[in-house]
Amino acid sequence: AQTVTQSQPEMSVQEAETVTLSCTYDTSESDYYLFWYKQPPSRQMILVIRQEAYKQQNATENRFSVNFQKAAKSFSLKISDSQLGDAAMYFCAYREITGGGNKLTFGTGTQLKVEL
Amino acid sequence: EPEVTQTPSHQVTQMGQEVILRCVPISNHLYFYWYRQILGQKVEFLVSFYNNEISEKSEIFDDQFSVERPDGSNFTLKIRSTKLEDSAMYFCASSPRQGSETQYFGPGTRLLVL
Repeated sequence: AQTVTQSQPEMSVQEAETVTLSCTYDTSESDYYLFWYKQPPSRQMILVIRQEAYKQQNATENRFSVNFQKAAKSFSLKISDSQLGDAAMYFCAYREITGGGNKLTFGTGTQLKVEL
Repeated sequence: EPEVTQTPSHQVTQMGQEVILRCVPISNHLYFYWYRQILGQKVEFLVSFYNNEISEKSEIFDDQFSVERPDGSNFTLKIRSTKLEDSAMYFCASSPRQGSETQYFGPGTRLLVL
């Protein structure tokens, strides 16, 4: 079974600084998708960024970028120029491409605090 | 921008009662999901639904749970006889098709079983 591990329960960053959240996963599949979702205090799940495993280029979305290392099964999220609104729980998630399953497998989350 | 909606936002029920959680997926989406998140824990997959039938379910999704798409817009999760441990946030999600499309989540229903 696929597993997703987020080893940092909490992280802090100063406003305007850069922070990197770690995620590793375990799978025997060669094609899959990886996601970072943000969960603010409202508890809504908001997609931050998505990476297709067959793409070597790392995904970027404005201040958010990933470092995808397929061989190492690592998928970290970098947040540049951190803002107070970035404070939230961040979940890494994995999803297969092939087969009938579309389910997302989530990690345990990293609580990000942004300090003035 | 289209979004997934869920009702109610909060529900309090007595143990043993039936609850129905409602979701309206994004209108052109074909795949629907339910996830739950017990307070302080990670989000867990419950069930996926396509073409009016369950396509996958987890061990959590036992006989107490059922899903239905009663009309062209709603997608419901029913818990027949709630237990204390069913207290959680329940998220509905939808996606246009299998493959590369992302799952878009609703705001969740916070269920408290007393």
